[in-house]
Amino acid sequence: LAKTTQPISMDSYEGQEVNITCSHNNIATNDYITWYQQFPSQGPRFIIQGYKTKVTNEVASLFIPADRKSSTLSLPRVSLSDTAVYYCLVDTGRRALTFGSGTRLQVQP
Amino acid sequence: NAGVTQTPKFQVLKTGQSMTLQCAQDMNHNSMYWYRQDPGMGLRLIYYSASEGTTDKGEVPNGYNVSRLNKREFSLRLESAAPSQTSVYFCATRQIVQAAWSNEKLFFGSGTQLSVL
Repeated sequence: LAKTTQPISMDSYEGQEVNITCSHNNIATNDYITWYQQFPSQGPRFIIQGYKTKVTNEVASLFIPADRKSSTLSLPRVSLSDTAVYYCLVDTGRRALTFGSGTRLQVQP
Repeated sequence: NAGVTQTPKFQVLKTGQSMTLQCAQDMNHNSMYWYRQDPGMGLRLIYYSASEGTTDKGEVPNGYNVSRLNKREFSLRLESAAPSQTSVYFCATRQIVQAAWSNEKLFFGSGTQLSVL
């Protein structure tokens, strides 16, 4: 299974831009990169997905370099409600999806 | 449209007791998954069902069994509960529509909090 590595935790302040980088050195040609967000006592929810270059939606942006061995989730102007755990997943082409430990983002006022 | 429904939401068991966690989805998805999440930890895959009639082991299958009853329902059974199985259990679903199936997102239920004393 493709392994991902991301920081265990990050701290930020309201209004700042937050960038969380994930490394996935053995990503396969057909794999997409997907990010999920999890609030306490809730199941994860999809944030954004990409294959290469840049993807943007109403919540975040995802930057993927040409070699695709890493990706960066960018959250613009975070608020307290963005405090959550963020997971980076790479679909290996198998039907099992595994989550790592994620990055715990704490946003301070 | 309920999405992914898990029952019960909370359960307390004594060591050695058995129980079944239920998951039902109304999204017509073909693939279903069971994860567990220990306090402060990430999610670990227990079992999954790629399609009706098939089940496969995930990362931590020991102590669990599953049944894909039909397309809508995927249950997780603990035959003899142990304190190490105290966790929050999440069911998830997604629709696999193409061979590469790398771009189909997961939808999660709200979880079952299980305590084994």
